[in-house]
Amino acid sequence: NAGVMQNPRHLVRRRGQEARLRCSPMKGHSHVYWYRQLPEEGLKFMVYLQKENIIDESGMPKERFSAEFPKEGPSILRIQQVVRGDSAAYFCASSPPINSDVQFFGPGTRLTVL
Amino acid sequence: GENVEQHPSTLSVQEGDSAVIKCTYSDSASNYFPWYKQELGKRPQLIIDIRSNVGEKKDQRIAVTLNKTAKHFSLHITETQPEDSAVYFCAVLSGAGSYQLTFGKGTKLSVIP
Repeated sequence: NAGVMQNPRHLVRRRGQEARLRCSPMKGHSHVYWYRQLPEEGLKFMVYLQKENIIDESGMPKERFSAEFPKEGPSILRIQQVVRGDSAAYFCASSPPINSDVQFFGPGTRLTVL
Repeated sequence: GENVEQHPSTLSVQEGDSAVIKCTYSDSASNYFPWYKQELGKRPQLIIDIRSNVGEKKDQRIAVTLNKTAKHFSLHITETQPEDSAVYFCAVLSGAGSYQLTFGKGTKLSVIP
């Protein structure tokens, strides 16, 4: 079982560009979560998705950020018109359909905005 | 919303000694309390968790205790080894219907050989 996969691991964007971060959950997991981690900080919840549904996006900034988890393929976190303050590590986690409060994390995508 | 406080922010111990990290939370409906270990540049790894119907759980050198009345829980690492050096995060899952983990700010543990 390969674990949660994320790509790219590192992403550099200039201000105003778009960033797309991908997450493939563990095999058999149907719940996906995105968290953001600033340097020297804990992780902050952004959004929780199941296949084709956004369940809870209360942690997502209202503008420029969106997330999806299509029927086929990975979950995508999209950041439009990136700004320097978006620089952070973005972690995806997944959990199984049963015992779904146990979350396993991917290796993260480190986004740097120049 | 949930508020999680974690102490201390840094902790240095001699190899072989014990380390204790404490977290407090605010929502009395919280029911799941995991601990994660994060090495530099790596993913957070779940090392132990406890649910609200249990007061203590142990896994080899690691234990977690939960006091629901006082709303705090602690991570205990015994016989520390240099490879235990990392940042440790506590987290809390609030009550029914919530799937958000709220994290503490982390404790940087250094085990000195």
